[in-house]
Amino acid sequence: GAVVSQHPSRVICKSGTSVKIECRSLDFQATTMFWYRQFPKQSLMLMATSNEGSKATYEQGVEKDKFLINHASLTLSTLTVTSAHPEDSSFYICSARESTEAFFGQGTRLTVV
Amino acid sequence: GNSVTQMEGPVTLSEEAFLTINCTYTATGYPSLFWYVQYPGEGLQLLLKATKADDKGSNKGFEATYRKETTSFHLEKGSVQVSDSAVYFCALRSSSGSARQLTFGSGTQLTVLP
Repeated sequence: GAVVSQHPSRVICKSGTSVKIECRSLDFQATTMFWYRQFPKQSLMLMATSNEGSKATYEQGVEKDKFLINHASLTLSTLTVTSAHPEDSSFYICSARESTEAFFGQGTRLTVV
Repeated sequence: GNSVTQMEGPVTLSEEAFLTINCTYTATGYPSLFWYVQYPGEGLQLLLKATKADDKGSNKGFEATYRKETTSFHLEKGSVQVSDSAVYFCALRSSSGSARQLTFGSGTQLTVLP
């Protein structure tokens, strides 16, 4: 099947700094990618839908100035957590759809200290 | 709105035991239903799916049947192996809406002991 690569898999950063997470579709083009966040023992919650060449669509309650999404090419979407705080510590997963099937990155464990 | 309720884990079984992970859903219309598996350190992978009522999805010995009357999509495997240890997510995709994104259950951690 298609491959979605997410980087980094783990990151630790200090409060107040920004962190960028990359999501790449390796062998297919993705006009739409999805960013999810998972809290411990909870569901994956959709944060935003990333659209190539246009603004991302954010879910209700997600701060777009806090979680900056850039989908500059058909194979790359980035999520930047700006001015990170400990409450932003979480597991972030991206997804891209090829045809009718969704493929997921391996996720990024973000810890803000 | 759409929601998925999944059996809480963790679940620990001995090798060759029978596995059931319960999943029920709430959705309007006729959603498609999925089971995803996440092995340690890897991304989610599609395990099986069903797109209409009474469909049975199957893969790698796992099965799940789309039961509209009980709004359920329980995952079963007759004889688990150590290599099945992973986190399993039940999910649905609505039949309507522009983005048609997935709605996930909370995930169930399965550990199979030799």
